Amino acid sequence: QQQVKQSPQSLIVQKGGIPIINCAYENTAFDYFPWYQQFPGKGPALLIAIRPDVSEKKEGRFTISFNKSAKQFSLHIMDSQPGDSATYFCAASGNTPLVFGKGTRLSVIA
Amino acid sequence: EPEVTQTPSHQVTQMGQEVILRCVPISNHLYFYWYRQILGQKVEFLVSFYNNEISEKSEIFDDQFSVERPDGSNFTLKIRSTKLEDSAMYFCASKAGDAYNEQFFGPGTRLTVL
Repeated sequence: QQQVKQSPQSLIVQKGGIPIINCAYENTAFDYFPWYQQFPGKGPALLIAIRPDVSEKKEGRFTISFNKSAKQFSLHIMDSQPGDSATYFCAASGNTPLVFGKGTRLSVIA
Repeated sequence: EPEVTQTPSHQVTQMGQEVILRCVPISNHLYFYWYRQILGQKVEFLVSFYNNEISEKSEIFDDQFSVERPDGSNFTLKIRSTKLEDSAMYFCASKAGDAYNEQFFGPGTRLTVL
């Protein structure tokens, strides 16, 4: 009930490509869905977040798509760059502590 | 830009020893958290703290763990008798208020238990 399932585990794309990372949840009480970006040796940094009253949110090159009925949400990175190479975590909460997915290691190659 | 800070960045200790990990949350934040991340694994919630008391804790946060806000700025995590499996990155996080769910994470303390 508290799990957030994230896929894929790792992803390699060419520079300029559009990596897509998917997450699914079960707990319908979740109402906040952030994505965190983590570089090696650093703490997770909030990238973008969405609430279930909208189906999409864009911030710069990052877009979250949210499907409430399917209980799924995904992160799209437009025009990916080598500097986007990092581990990405989805998470969810409902006025409760964040529950994280297992992470996706993204490599963007030039 | 305000940020969460943590000290030390790396702590090495012998099994059975006590360690204290320190955090300075963002100054106007009211909610404080500790998470851990075992190498290569996901971030796991340990404990949340609000109004000078624990508001929620996970099953990981057993009697060996304690948290304290000894003054107006520091937030500490103590592990009384460390075990090998306590080796992990420990992240402190804080958020402004209940209506704002954005948690800001510190850079972490790498704890190595030998």
